[in-house]
Amino acid sequence: AQSVSQHNHHVILSEAASLELGCNYSYGGTVNLFWYVQYPGQHLQLLLKYFSGDPLVKGIKGFEAEFIKSKFSFNLRKPSVQWSDTAEYFCAVNPFSGGYQKVTFGIGTKLQVIP
Amino acid sequence: IAGITQAPTSQILAAGRRMTLRCTQDMRHNAMYWYRQDLGLGLRLIHYSNTAGTTGKGEVPDGYSVSRANTDDFPLTLASAVPSQTSVYFCASRPSGSGTDTQYFGPGTRLTVL
Repeated sequence: AQSVSQHNHHVILSEAASLELGCNYSYGGTVNLFWYVQYPGQHLQLLLKYFSGDPLVKGIKGFEAEFIKSKFSFNLRKPSVQWSDTAEYFCAVNPFSGGYQKVTFGIGTKLQVIP
Repeated sequence: IAGITQAPTSQILAAGRRMTLRCTQDMRHNAMYWYRQDLGLGLRLIHYSNTAGTTGKGEVPDGYSVSRANTDDFPLTLASAVPSQTSVYFCASRPSGSGTDTQYFGPGTRLTVL
């Protein structure tokens, strides 16, 4: 079974600061990787995902993530955060083969952006 | 298109009572899921269904049951609620059971068991 680690549980940044949220997973095979975002009072929505091709993937709102296979990592980045990026961010992993059911989520990172 | 709807939005329930959380999607997605979200624990899968007529247990299934009589509906039942089931419950769906599919989440149900 796979697992997902998000190292930063609570991050506080000033507007315009750069962001990097760590995500590491453990799984022996090929995986699909996701970042979901949950804005205050809202449900989770997809930020970006990786399943093949260019390991640097771009998502909505200027976010990007880089899959580094040798490090089992899928860190989320944004060059300059805005107050509206205040949210909780979840990394998730799903084995490439087979059906669903094993999407495993990290415990989430709460990002607070100070104006 | 509404996507995924959940009902109720929130509920306060006495321990020992039976409760069904409703989830309906209008996207004709095959796969559906129930998660609970708890502070410091993130999202944990309770039950899932890869297609109508089939269900499976997730990471934390005890005390919960589900059914999938049709494609659109995936109710979650707490047979006899306990305080440890106080949580925010999210229903989600995916077009298929494929690992590359995006999950779509409902707005959640905040449940408090006293």
